[in-house]
Amino acid sequence: GQSLEQPSEVTAVEGAIVQINCTYQTSGFYGLSWYQQHDGGAPTFLSYNGLDGLEETGRFSSFLSRSDSYGYLLLQELQMKDSASYFCAGPGDSNYQLIWGAGTKLIIKP
Amino acid sequence: NAGVTQTPKFQVLKTGQSMTLQCAQDMNHEYMSWYRQDPGMGLRLIHYSVGAGITDQGEVPNGYNVSRSTTEDFPLRLLSAAPSQTSVYFCASSLLGTGDTDTQYFGPGTRLTVL
Repeated sequence: GQSLEQPSEVTAVEGAIVQINCTYQTSGFYGLSWYQQHDGGAPTFLSYNGLDGLEETGRFSSFLSRSDSYGYLLLQELQMKDSASYFCAGPGDSNYQLIWGAGTKLIIKP
Repeated sequence: NAGVTQTPKFQVLKTGQSMTLQCAQDMNHEYMSWYRQDPGMGLRLIHYSVGAGITDQGEVPNGYNVSRSTTEDFPLRLLSAAPSQTSVYFCASSLLGTGDTDTQYFGPGTRLTVL
C-alpha cells in the first residue's frame, strides 16, 4: 500500500535547528508537500518539492530525494510559535488524491 | 474573501442520526475535498470533487455521501451516524486539484462527536 512515515514527536530548543523526516511508499510519485497545523487549527501549506533537492522559504526549507523515497523539513532559528504538528503529503492512487503522514508533533523548549 | 468556510464548528449526534456538514469556498476553486482527522492518524480523504457535478471516493468513503451542484459548495452527509465517525472533519479546496502540486486551503474544521 501507499504510505508516508514520519516520527511522531520531535523535541528541540528555541533558536536551534530541527529536521523532520518523511519516508514514503507510493505507486506514482510526483512530489512532496509539507503542512503545519497548530493545536485546534487547520493545516496550512508550508512547502512543496516537485524535484530533487532543497527548496527554501525563509526559516523553513524542504528537501526531496526521489531515489531514496525520502524527504525532510528543516526549521531554523526555532521560535515558540513553531510548536505545532507537521505533516508530509503526497499523491495517492490518483493525482487527485493526497495521502498524508500521521504527523510529527514539534515540541520547543525555551 | 472568506476562503473556505465550514459549519457547524461543533456538533454532537446520537447514533443513527443523520446530518450534513456544510463547506463553501469563494476562491473559484475547481477541486474540493473532505478529510477526517483522528488522533495519531493524520488526514484521511473521504470524498473529493474535481468540479461541479463530479465526485469520487477517497480512502474512507463508507457512511458518507457528497454532491457538488455548484462550484462553491460541497456538503458532506452522514447517513446514519456511528461512534466510529467521531472525528474532526476538514474541508479543503485547491485551484486545479492536482494533489501533489496544488496548495490545499483548509476550512477551520467541524468537531463531531457521536454518542
